[in-house]
Amino acid sequence: AQTIHQWPVAEIKAVGSPLSLGCTIKGKSSPNLYWYWQATGGTLQQLFYSITVGQVESVVQLNLSASRPKDDQFILSTEKLLLSHSGFYLCAWSLWGSQNTLYFGAGTRLSVL
Amino acid sequence: AQSVTQPDARVTVSEGASLQLRCKYSYSGTPYLFWYVQYPRQGLQLLLKYYSGDPVVQGVNGFEAEFIKSNSSFHLRKASVHWSDSAVYFCAVSANYGSSGNKLIFGIGTLLSVKP
Repeated sequence: AQTIHQWPVAEIKAVGSPLSLGCTIKGKSSPNLYWYWQATGGTLQQLFYSITVGQVESVVQLNLSASRPKDDQFILSTEKLLLSHSGFYLCAWSLWGSQNTLYFGAGTRLSVL
Repeated sequence: AQSVTQPDARVTVSEGASLQLRCKYSYSGTPYLFWYVQYPRQGLQLLLKYYSGDPVVQGVNGFEAEFIKSNSSFHLRKASVHWSDSAVYFCAVSANYGSSGNKLIFGIGTLLSVKP
């Protein structure tokens, strides 16, 4: 069975500090991968997606970047955090022929102070 | 442009009562429609989805939704709610990036509170 693991579960970081969030999917070969961001009490906004290793497409510009170093791994990062980066970050995966269904991880809660 | 409207930010019902959470979408093509649930401090879990066929789709935990094309709606229903159904419910529509992945567009969510 497929599993999706996000790390860390939560982070408290200072403004201006770097950030790296990770996501690993096991049990699926060549999944499409996504990063979503959810402001506190808000809806979800897609940030990035990737259909293959080394290829990442940006959907919105939030001074964040993403990379896919391995087929099963998706990394979200920035060199300098802003207060506006606070929120809940969700990784998701989908497969071709799955009626566009996305499956989400448990998320990482980020507080920028 | 694709969009999803959930007109009710908050719904409160008594345990055992029936439930309807409203969702309307705007999409020029054939929509893929979803309902997800988010329990406190957790990720999203898929409740059900519609992409073709019978407009009434069954999901987990007794939830169902009906796709009404003429009304551009995809309302979520449950005959009898339980206190454990308290959560935020998101309606979403899928927009393809052509052959390169897909994008889920979410509504703002409806917070369901079930009174014991």
